[in-house]
Amino acid sequence: EAQVTQNPRYLITVTGKKLTVTCSQNMNHEYMSWYRQDPGLGLRQIYYSMNVEVTDKGDVPEGYKVSRKEKRNFPLILESPSPNQTSLYFCASSERGRGYTFGSGTRLTVV
Amino acid sequence: SQQGEEDPQALSIQEGENATMNCSYKTSINNLQWYRQNSGRGLVHLILIRSNEREKHSGRLRVTLDTSKKSSSLLITASRAADTASYFCAPATVDQAGTALIFGKGTTLSVSS
Repeated sequence: EAQVTQNPRYLITVTGKKLTVTCSQNMNHEYMSWYRQDPGLGLRQIYYSMNVEVTDKGDVPEGYKVSRKEKRNFPLILESPSPNQTSLYFCASSERGRGYTFGSGTRLTVV
Repeated sequence: SQQGEEDPQALSIQEGENATMNCSYKTSINNLQWYRQNSGRGLVHLILIRSNEREKHSGRLRVTLDTSKKSSSLLITASRAADTASYFCAPATVDQAGTALIFGKGTTLSVSS
């Protein structure tokens, strides 16, 4: 089944403890992206990647890092999480001329 | 890419009724996409309509595009309780993988039985 898989689905962590949210797609899509969704603010793009080793900042990149060493994987790294990064995170991938396929989301709480 | 603005913000209807949501955007587009999001879940791609198309159908969904008015509408016919969700439009200015879609706040549809 064609899908984008994010892990974990839920995560509670403490301020300053580094964490990684994984994202993997099995559709051979070149493009991958991370969004965060907050009440009243909608979906905002954090980082995106046009292809392997090509990444760029979205609208809200501060406090996040990404890497794209392989086509299928696009992990989101929070080096020193803070409470304002508590949010619902989505990974998505796409190919030319098609819509995005989204993962099921990761609900992150930073205390 | 640019952000679409959905209207209305919220819509409540009875099962069996039709639901119409509108989307406006500001600059020329290559295509416009509609997505659905059930509470707390990932967005699901519904339809992509290209700038040279005026209407597109998928099951109970009908999307229209008026590039002269820079607007699109999504019609859901014979609504069901399972259609309860938020709906987003996303105008894309270029047709390439990696078009950064910018999502608005969406229309929240509630269908009661």
